Amino acid sequence: NAGVTQTPKFRILKIGQSMTLQCTQDMNHNYMYWYRQDPGMGLKLIYYSVGAGITDKGEVPNGYNVSRSTTEDFPLRLELAAPSQTSVYFCASSYSIIQGAREQYFGPGTRLTVT
Amino acid sequence: KNEVEQSPQNLTAQEGEFITINCSYSVGISALHWLQQHPGGGIVSLFMLSSGKKKHGRLIATINIQEKHSSLHITASHPRDSAVYICAVRTISSGSARQLTFGSGTQLTVLP
Repeated sequence: NAGVTQTPKFRILKIGQSMTLQCTQDMNHNYMYWYRQDPGMGLKLIYYSVGAGITDKGEVPNGYNVSRSTTEDFPLRLELAAPSQTSVYFCASSYSIIQGAREQYFGPGTRLTVT
Repeated sequence: KNEVEQSPQNLTAQEGEFITINCSYSVGISALHWLQQHPGGGIVSLFMLSSGKKKHGRLIATINIQEKHSSLHITASHPRDSAVYICAVRTISSGSARQLTFGSGTQLTVLP
């Protein structure tokens, strides 16, 4: 299994541009999450999904959108990028409660700079 | 005040030393996670616990639910243990979403 994969690894955007961060997992996990990590701060939840077709906002959803059309994929969309969105983005996945409580598995991260 | 507080923020140790990293939380939780973030940025889960103690190799994690406190211990530390160690809790209010609330991490440097 590849686990959780994210693309791209790095990206520089100009203010106002848009982009999609890709996330795929091959572990058949129901739960998927997007986090951002700012220097000196804990990870903050942006959006999460409890299954295909179901998404919900986390702690810091403004400026982002997500979709979950399949179990494997959970892309994060940035519309009209702003400097405040400069961060490292992590995607994660975990088992559902039905399968038992398990730890979260993280992707390698995407380092995004908005200038 | 953050719901999850870690101490210390930074820790430097000599190879072979016994290391303790602390995590305190202020909310009701159903589970607590310890994660390791490598210098390259990747994050891996070390432990998930809701009571008692877990051990994996040189790593030991303990939790005291009544005192809302957890510790991560590293025995016989090695330079390859140098990383950021992150405490995260799954709050009772997160329900079926199983969201985590993260501490800001402890930067550990082990010198040879």
